[in-house]
Amino acid sequence: DGGITQSPKYLFRKEGQNVTLSCEQNLNHDAMYWYRQDPGQGLRLIYYSQIVNDFQKGDIAEGYSVSREKKESFPLTVTSAQKNPTAFYLCASSILAGSNQPQHFGDGTRLSIL
Amino acid sequence: GESVGLHLPTLSVQEGDNSIINCAYSNSASDYFIWYKQESGKGPQFIIDIRSNMDKRQGQRVTVLLNKTVKHLSLQIAATQPGDSAVYFCAENPPRNTPLVFGKGTRLSVIA
Repeated sequence: DGGITQSPKYLFRKEGQNVTLSCEQNLNHDAMYWYRQDPGQGLRLIYYSQIVNDFQKGDIAEGYSVSREKKESFPLTVTSAQKNPTAFYLCASSILAGSNQPQHFGDGTRLSIL
Repeated sequence: GESVGLHLPTLSVQEGDNSIINCAYSNSASDYFIWYKQESGKGPQFIIDIRSNMDKRQGQRVTVLLNKTVKHLSLQIAATQPGDSAVYFCAENPPRNTPLVFGKGTRLSVIA
């Protein structure tokens, strides 16, 4: 089945620790995205990538970093600089950004602070 | 509808009734719109989309209406079922190859 796989489903971070969230897609999509969702709120864009080896900051990029070394993979690192990392993180992909095509989402990773 | 703040607006409907969820979008140049459904603990799921050259599109039990004059989008769900209970988001596609912009969401609660 084609789709987007996020792992792990639950993740715990200690103070001062960096953690990396995985996102893999087998839809052959060029564009990938990371969103943060806080309880009872909408989606806020962290980073997106339209092509391998290129990515752009979204609205709330501070304290996060990404890489796009392969078309299928777009890992997100939550660094120790992100002081309030507890949230639900969603990865998405689409054929192209702004291409009048929907984004497809994974089932998220819930990150909590220990 | 949409609102700013910590709490999602909630729409409660009786099972079997029709539901209407509203969304105000921000960019008059947006040319593509999507409705998503998000169940608890899961990622948003595509429901239906509409391009700006249309004002209505129908799917299975769902209809999306677009009013470009007032920048308003609505999702109508016919014969609402308990499985329709979820948070619904609208999204707009601004011009110039930028990502979708999502609305704040509306929680639909179906009363059996």
